Amino acid sequence: SAVISQKPSRDICQRGTSLTIQCQVDSQVTMMFWYRQQPGQSLTLIATANQGSEATYESGFVIDKFPISRPNLTFSTLTVSNMSPEDSSIYLCSVPATSGRNTGELFFGEGSRLTVL
Amino acid sequence: QQQVKQSPQSLIVQKGGISIINCAYENTAFDYFPWYQQFPGKGPALLIAIRPDVSEKKEGRFTISFNKSAKQFSLHIMDSQPGDSATYFCAAINAGGTSYGKLTFGQGTILTVHP
Repeated sequence: SAVISQKPSRDICQRGTSLTIQCQVDSQVTMMFWYRQQPGQSLTLIATANQGSEATYESGFVIDKFPISRPNLTFSTLTVSNMSPEDSSIYLCSVPATSGRNTGELFFGEGSRLTVL
Repeated sequence: QQQVKQSPQSLIVQKGGISIINCAYENTAFDYFPWYQQFPGKGPALLIAIRPDVSEKKEGRFTISFNKSAKQFSLHIMDSQPGDSATYFCAAINAGGTSYGKLTFGQGTILTVHP
């Protein structure tokens, strides 16, 4: 299994500011995924981060709001820009359990819990 | 059509009892159905998964039952233990599609097992 480390684990932010979340994986992976889990809610895929190319965003999520970097095969960042209270969520980094197979079996990090005041 | 509906929202079971969580889907393109377990402060962890060509899959105390014609599947936890207390998410994916890693999650069930 992959070990996924996220920083920060939690933060309290002011409205209008931006915060960058880091995700480090202990092995090289082609694809990394960023999910959002709103309070008491389910998980929703924000985007897929591919090394060497632009991230692919899901409907309802845009690059200006959630810019993503993927500088190498073990690291990615997600920035939440111009935050509002509606952005208060847990942001989760994940990677496929089996490289090259789209099974829906993912390893998740422990998440970054953001509270926007 | 992309939704996965999960019930109940919360469930309280006595130790040793059976916990049952149900999910239903509409999108017939879904072809893989994993369940995730999430403890407070942790990320979800894969628990068990099933393909629609199988009606049942068992791993230890955890069993998935799948009814393809009804587009429903359920998780049964036998001999439930206090350590099973967590939030459980059913999920679905079109594994043969182009949306790599795009799981559609149910709303989650908070399971509490009393000692």
